[in-house]
Amino acid sequence: QQQVKQSPQSLIVQKGGISIINCAYENTAFDYFPWYQQFPGKGPALLIAIRPDVSEKKEGRFTISFNKSAKQFSLHIMDSQPGDSATYFCAASKETSGSRLTFGEGTQLTVNP
Amino acid sequence: NAGVTQTPKFRVLKTGQSMTLLCAQDMNHEYMYWYRQDPGMGLRLIHYSVGEGTTAKGEVPDGYNVSRLKKQNFLLGLESAAPSQTSVYFCASSSFTPTIYEQYFGPGTRLTVT
Repeated sequence: QQQVKQSPQSLIVQKGGISIINCAYENTAFDYFPWYQQFPGKGPALLIAIRPDVSEKKEGRFTISFNKSAKQFSLHIMDSQPGDSATYFCAASKETSGSRLTFGEGTQLTVNP
Repeated sequence: NAGVTQTPKFRVLKTGQSMTLLCAQDMNHEYMYWYRQDPGMGLRLIHYSVGEGTTAKGEVPDGYNVSRLKKQNFLLGLESAAPSQTSVYFCASSSFTPTIYEQYFGPGTRLTVT
């Protein structure tokens, strides 16, 4: 049972374009929503995270949009660059879970030069 | 400061063989985790530990055992490997901070069971 659903599975974007990855969750007890970035041959690394008390968080070219009523959140990468080519995972956690994360299936992003 | 390290990086096992994967962290983190990563399935939690001497089951614990005898180490064991356990295994650690749940991942172990 996948509690966090992620789409699309793969995404190809031209340099300078906007990359958008979407996630939906089921458990309303989740209170922390991070995005992890993974380059080939490496472990995932935290990219940006949001809590449900805000609808948007921006860090440089990366923005999380959060819709609590729809139980959805998305990652927007503005001015996408070839160096952004990686696999992106959304995740969710709840404070009472001891920092356990439930991950989405992952999106493989390719940014063409 | 090495962060999270995993040993070995690659391993090939025959069905029925056993092995132990070692994870070590030098950040004095309380929490440690073992995940497996399979194409199209994201990262799935196998077992985790909230402190030295404690372990708990995650989402896919069957066929695996773990031990946390020292705070900095978390071992994942396969007693009788099966082809279904072919995967990339990641260890992660995090500190107990009520507002920050960042997990730090190791580089992974690629395991093939034939």
